[in-house]
Amino acid sequence: EDQVTQSPEALRLQEGESSSLNCSYTVSGLRGLFWYRQDPGKGPEFLFTLYSAGEEKEKERLKATLTKKESFLHITAPKPEDSATYLCAVQAETGGFKTIFGAGTRLFVKA
Amino acid sequence: GAVVSQHPSRVICKSGTSVKIECRSLDFQATTMFWYRQFPKQSLMLMATSNEGSKATYEQGVEKDKFLINHASLTLSTLTVTSAHPEDSSFYICSARTGGSLTGELFFGEGSRLTVL
Repeated sequence: EDQVTQSPEALRLQEGESSSLNCSYTVSGLRGLFWYRQDPGKGPEFLFTLYSAGEEKEKERLKATLTKKESFLHITAPKPEDSATYLCAVQAETGGFKTIFGAGTRLFVKA
Repeated sequence: GAVVSQHPSRVICKSGTSVKIECRSLDFQATTMFWYRQFPKQSLMLMATSNEGSKATYEQGVEKDKFLINHASLTLSTLTVTSAHPEDSSFYICSARTGGSLTGELFFGEGSRLTVL
């Protein structure tokens, strides 16, 4: 069964304290892995798509990487406005093109 | 970027009434849209896939007679929660891919918070 597991469940950082969020996945053939940011009471906002192991993408303070079993979202020198829930999702080659989401990591950045 | 819009953002209704939520793709045509449900501090759970001009495909455990989906045009899908009860209170979010693609990233609406009294 296709599965996405994110850790930690919650992460509290001081402003400027870099860290990483983990997304472990088990799928029968990966079509794509996606990272989203979700603010309270809002729909998810697309951040990155990764397609193959070794691929990396960056956007401002965020960098996403991908291996055959997991993906990391690195946050460099975070600011309070980076506080949000970060969701990881995968689309498998089977399963009718569905996108399966992890439970998310709630990030709190304190000034 | 692609824009998906939902309306209403919040709705409060009495138990037993029906509520309709609209999802529109604003700058692209979406032959397929996806409806998700999210409980507090939980992940998004796919409820159904909405297909333009045909019946929606529902996920296992989702009551198709309670959650009616209509996708009458390439830019509009609606979700109607019929005879709503307090346990239907949740955050409902729609999404779509651009260009009619079956793969790739989803773009989400703002979400609709349903509270059933």
